Amino acid sequence: AQSVAQPEDQVNVAEGNPLTVKCTYSVSGNPYLFWYVQYPNRGLQFLLKYITGDNLVKGSYGFEAEFNKSQTSFHLKKPSALVSDSALYFCAVSYPGAWGSGGGADGLTFGKGTHLIIQP
Amino acid sequence: GAGVSQSPRYKVTKRGQDVALRCDPISGHVSLYWYRQALGQGPEFLTYFNYEAQQDKSGLPNDRFSAERPEGSISTLTIQRTEQRDSAMYRCASSFAIASEGNEQFFGPGTRLTVL
Repeated sequence: AQSVAQPEDQVNVAEGNPLTVKCTYSVSGNPYLFWYVQYPNRGLQFLLKYITGDNLVKGSYGFEAEFNKSQTSFHLKKPSALVSDSALYFCAVSYPGAWGSGGGADGLTFGKGTHLIIQP
Repeated sequence: GAGVSQSPRYKVTKRGQDVALRCDPISGHVSLYWYRQALGQGPEFLTYFNYEAQQDKSGLPNDRFSAERPEGSISTLTIQRTEQRDSAMYRCASSFAIASEGNEQFFGPGTRLTVL
């Protein structure tokens, strides 16, 4: 079974500093990895994904994430944080080739989320 | 708007009543997913459709929960004889194709269900 861990409930960063939100996963084979952001009273918004190829992927709003297969991690990063980046961030995984296999494998498996707070 | 829409946004019901939650996906999106999100948790998969076919309903908690997508577009998640433990945010998402091919999902704003 696939699972995602976000070890930090909350991350506090000063505006202008680099930020990292951690994510590790457990899945058989090579996963597809996603980051989503949730603002208050809004739906989840897609930020970026890793499918294959270059381990460093770039996404919306200046965010990037690095896939590290040996450490089974997919940490979200941004070189310089903005106050407007404050939100709830979710890491998610899907299982390649799971289509039709059932057991929830066809959907996304999410972590429990990390609150990112950027202090002015 | 071209996004996923859900209605109602908020639903308060009494225990034992049936509720129907609606999802209108992005036009042309083949796959439609339902998730449930408890406070302080990430969304949890319930079921999904490819066109009108329900491909996986393994995440539905019990037989009080059902979903349909009869014409391959709008979907309805129905909860019969609601219980207090059903209170949660119910989220719908759609994607151009299936997640296990690496396609990102686009989420609606959710329906907040409260069962009294």
